Amino acid sequence: NAGVTQTPKFQVLKTGQSMTLQCAQDMNHEYMSWYRQDPGMGLRLIHYSVGAGITDQGEVPNGYNVSRSTTEDFPLRLLSAAPSQTSVYFCASSSSRGGGRTGELFFGEGSRLTVL
Amino acid sequence: AQRVTQPEKLLSVFKGAPVELKCNYSYSGSPELFWYVQYSRQRLQLLLRHISRESIKGFTADLNKGETSFHLKKPFAQEEDSAMYYCALRGSNAGKSTFGDGTTLTVKP
Repeated sequence: NAGVTQTPKFQVLKTGQSMTLQCAQDMNHEYMSWYRQDPGMGLRLIHYSVGAGITDQGEVPNGYNVSRSTTEDFPLRLLSAAPSQTSVYFCASSSSRGGGRTGELFFGEGSRLTVL
Repeated sequence: AQRVTQPEKLLSVFKGAPVELKCNYSYSGSPELFWYVQYSRQRLQLLLRHISRESIKGFTADLNKGETSFHLKKPFAQEEDSAMYYCALRGSNAGKSTFGDGTTLTVKP
């Protein structure tokens, strides 16, 4: 059981370039979300989804796009990378049907992005 | 709006000493509160949740609705407890969890 898989683990971009961070989960979770982790600022929610075809903005959505065409996949797109987007990005999934694990977030390993 | 505050960014204790990581929250309804832990070179994982009222790795946390707090406690810290700890809140919007800034715990030998 792979859980939540993120790719790539590391990426270096130049300012203005675009890229997509991939996230896939194999637990049939209805909820998926993207966070960024910055020193001293904790985890901040970028975008989240409550099911296929439904997405919404979190605390820091500017500069990012998401889509949820399937239950399994939730890619995060950086449209025109900026140095302020240098961060570690985490994808997470959860479910309200998990019995004793309802609401628990399952995280990917993280993707470290550097924008020069 | 939902908000989580962890007032201590860094906490250092000696092995065997008690440890308390503070978490305060702001939410108008009935939240679910969680503690997540990130050990070095490992992914974030759930430590415990208020609903289960259990002890994990010697840690406990009690939800105090009057003080809107969910502090994490352990009576005797171990070196392997050194990690980053995050308090998180999940409200009525089940797809949205809010995290605090995190507390880095260092347990010295």
